[in-house]
Amino acid sequence: DAGVIQSPRHEVTEMGQEVTLRCKPISGHDYLFWYRQTMMRGLELLIYFNNNVPIDDSGMPEDRFSAKMPNASFSTLKIQPSEPRDSAVYFCASRSRVREKLFFGSGTQLSVL
Amino acid sequence: SQQGEEDPQALSIQEGENATMNCSYKTSINNLQWYRQNSGRGLVHLILIRSNEREKHSGRLRVTLDTSKKSSSLLITASRAADTASYFCATARYNNNDMRFGAGTRLTVKP
Repeated sequence: DAGVIQSPRHEVTEMGQEVTLRCKPISGHDYLFWYRQTMMRGLELLIYFNNNVPIDDSGMPEDRFSAKMPNASFSTLKIQPSEPRDSAVYFCASRSRVREKLFFGSGTQLSVL
Repeated sequence: SQQGEEDPQALSIQEGENATMNCSYKTSINNLQWYRQNSGRGLVHLILIRSNEREKHSGRLRVTLDTSKKSSSLLITASRAADTASYFCATARYNNNDMRFGAGTRLTVKP
């Protein structure tokens, strides 16, 4: 298995632009998580899905952030409009129903200028 | 919000020495996990210890859990330069999904 795949690896955009981050979880995994990592706040859980359904989005910082999971093999995290304080590394992770450990993607380094 | 807090924030040792990192958490947990992150990469799962366990081993890793003190420690024995990374503890509450990470310990192992 290729593991959790995230794209793009790096994203540089200007304030006000829409940003879409993509994630392909490991095949067969039931849960998908989006995390954000910054020096100031560490790793923050933004939202997670179970069987493509959003379960807890209480970590989503603002209405500018939205996440979807249209099918079991694809999820997006969208920021519209983006702001400089959104600059961070965004990680997607997945896990199976029966195993508690998370498998992380390599992350997307987002820079909003 | 973060659940676990690692201590120390940074640790620098010589190759061959042991490294001990500590984690404290605030609420009751179902299990506690340790992850490793190399610079610029995603986190990799190292070991999981359940709330009814007190100690667990995996290769050069030893994890302890004290639920009465809400703390855990990760010991890496006979460290290698390749162990240089950040180490995070993560706690999962009742549903195993609300997994929160600490700020991490940055370990540097000098050759």
